[in-house]
Amino acid sequence: GNSVTQMEGPVTLSEEAFLTINCTYTATGYPSLFWYVQYPGEGLQLLLKATKADDKGSNKGFEATYRKETTSFHLEKGSVQVSDSAVYFCALSDNNQGGKLIFGQGTELSVKP
Amino acid sequence: GAVVSQHPSRVICKSGTSVKIECRSLDFQATTMFWYRQFPKKSLMLMATSNEGSKATYEQGVEKDKFLINHASLTLSTLTVTSAHPEDSSFYICSVSGQHSNQPQHFGDGTRLSIL
Repeated sequence: GNSVTQMEGPVTLSEEAFLTINCTYTATGYPSLFWYVQYPGEGLQLLLKATKADDKGSNKGFEATYRKETTSFHLEKGSVQVSDSAVYFCALSDNNQGGKLIFGQGTELSVKP
Repeated sequence: GAVVSQHPSRVICKSGTSVKIECRSLDFQATTMFWYRQFPKKSLMLMATSNEGSKATYEQGVEKDKFLINHASLTLSTLTVTSAHPEDSSFYICSVSGQHSNQPQHFGDGTRLSIL
C-alpha cells in the first residue's frame, strides 16, 4: 500500500542554519505530495504542495521538489528562524489533492536563538 | 480567514461520558470531511471519511460503534466518542476536502480530549 517515511526527529538547529527534512514515499500511480506544519497545540496548516514530477512547491522560504525517480519530496529552507519551530508532516494523496491523506510520522524541529 | 471551525477545542470529562465534536466548513459546502486522531508525539491516523448524506467510511481497526460520525449537512460533520474511557484520550482533528478536486484539504484546529 501507499506509505510515507520521514527522517526521525527531533531536529535541533541554530537560527539561520540550513534545514533539510527527508521524505520518501511509496505509491502507485502519480500521487500529490504535501508538507504540513503543526505548531504546538494547533491543527495542521498546509505549507506547500506539488502535484506532478519535477514540480517545486515553495512557501515562506521553504521548498520541496517532487522527485519521481527517487520517490522523494525533501523539505529545505536556507535559513531557519526560531518561529519555524514546529512539527512537520510529509503526506501524499493518491487520487486528488482533496482525497484521503497518508502522513509520515512527523519530524519535530527546534530552532535555538 | 479560517476555512474550518472545530469545536470544542478542549474537553475534560469523566469516564463513561459521550463526547461530541463538531467540524464546520465555513467557506463552502463540503461533501467530504475527514476525521483524524493524533497521539502525543505521533503522526495523524485517519479514522474515517465522512460523506454528506451517507454512512461514513471507517478505516480498518476503528470501531464504528465507538466513534459515531454524522454528516447531516454540507457544512457540518460530527464525531461522537461514545462511553469514552481514558484510552480514548487524544487529539482529534477534522479536515475538509477542497472545494475542487485539485485543491488540498483544510484542517481544523483540533480537539484535545482528556478522559479522567
